[in-house]
Amino acid sequence: DIQMTQTPSSLSASVGDRVTITCRASQSISSYLNWYQQKPGKAPNLLIYAASSLQSGVPSRFSGSGSGTDFTLTISSLQPEDFATYHCQQSYSSPPTFGGGTKVEIK
Amino acid sequence: EVQLVESGGGLVQPGGSLRLSCVVSGFTVSSNYMSWVRQAPGKGLEWVAVIYSADSTDYADSVKGRFTISRDNYKDTLYLQMNSLRAEDTAVYYCARDRGDYVGAGFDFWGQGTLVTVSS
Repeated sequence: DIQMTQTPSSLSASVGDRVTITCRASQSISSYLNWYQQKPGKAPNLLIYAASSLQSGVPSRFSGSGSGTDFTLTISSLQPEDFATYHCQQSYSSPPTFGGGTKVEIK
Repeated sequence: EVQLVESGGGLVQPGGSLRLSCVVSGFTVSSNYMSWVRQAPGKGLEWVAVIYSADSTDYADSVKGRFTISRDNYKDTLYLQMNSLRAEDTAVYYCARDRGDYVGAGFDFWGQGTLVTVSS
């Protein structure tokens, strides 16, 4: 199975900050990488698919980049509703596997 | 409007069985890749099983031989039959729709989740 490693596991940031989360795959996965946002007690919400494509309805302050083994999720200007946990997930091969998550907290 | 509503979770003893259901609306289970994804308390997400095409299925190694995914196209309902349950199966179970024609293309719609607790 492909292992996905997210860094950092948590971060503190302020409203308006630019935030970057990294996800690394244990082998090349081309651009088969998705990002989700999850708030406490709620199901995950798809933000980005295929590494850089914005899911319908997701604000443009979210962006994704990368290919191969290294990927990045960027929030250009953090908003109060963005405080949540973010997960990456590879779809290159079955089973689809997720990173451990990055919790974004209020500084 | 797309909706997925799970039910069937609860407390079960180790070795016991449980069947989860996921009723969908706004689309049909027969025309999409449908998965179950779980999340143990305080932990990350783990894909469990998928059903697609003419009832083709695939499972995570951790549940293979114990769990069975199925669907009723007439009722637009997805199921997860869980047998020989273990403490490590304790989690919130989500049903999720894939946006593409392969497993994990991007889970674009999720249910609200149902909690399964395996404990004596």
